[in-house]
Amino acid sequence: GQSLEQPSEVTAVEGAIVQINCTYQTSGFYGLSWYQQHDGGAPTFLSYNALDGLEETGRFSSFLSRSDSYGYLLLQELQMKDSASYFCAVLGNAGNMLTFGGGTRLMVKP
Amino acid sequence: DVKVTQSSRYLVKRTGEKVFLECVQDMDHENMFWYRQDPGLGLRLIYFSYDVKMKEKGDIPEGYSVSREKKERFSLILESASTNQTSMYLCASSLSLADNEQFFGPGTRLTVL
Repeated sequence: GQSLEQPSEVTAVEGAIVQINCTYQTSGFYGLSWYQQHDGGAPTFLSYNALDGLEETGRFSSFLSRSDSYGYLLLQELQMKDSASYFCAVLGNAGNMLTFGGGTRLMVKP
Repeated sequence: DVKVTQSSRYLVKRTGEKVFLECVQDMDHENMFWYRQDPGLGLRLIYFSYDVKMKEKGDIPEGYSVSREKKERFSLILESASTNQTSMYLCASSLSLADNEQFFGPGTRLTVL
């Protein structure tokens, strides 16, 4: 089976940097994805890591360590609009199914 | 832009009713997925389909069935709704199974009384 763990809530102030961690256990691993979901909205894709290392996309970066079964999403220069839930998801099994973590609710305060 | 639409935003049904949730995508994607989302549990995969008339069970298929008669349309069916199926239902599509990016619809909040 597959399981993912991430913190349920994180609070940070505007302009700060925040890191959301994700650890996973999976049978078969193809990559780790991150999705953002605002309240009342649909999840939207942020990033995908198939190989170890850091991937940067603007203010957001995502890191993967396959040997540690661990990844994180790094958000820099936080803005109020970054307040949302963030989900890590493992592409596992035969590379055909995403399994999601429980989500981390990020609250950005002024 | 990929657009995934779902037939209803909110739905209230009674225990024992048959419920149909419909999802349509407009980008000719091969794969479509149905998830349910509950607080603290994230998104859990119910069923997915990688081609017309093809379906695969996800992590929680019990109590659900699906239908994919046309490439753009994927239906989730609750044969006899129960209160524990009260949830947010999200449909998604992706270009291919190995494609890590899924595009989600706005969701249907189903309440079973």
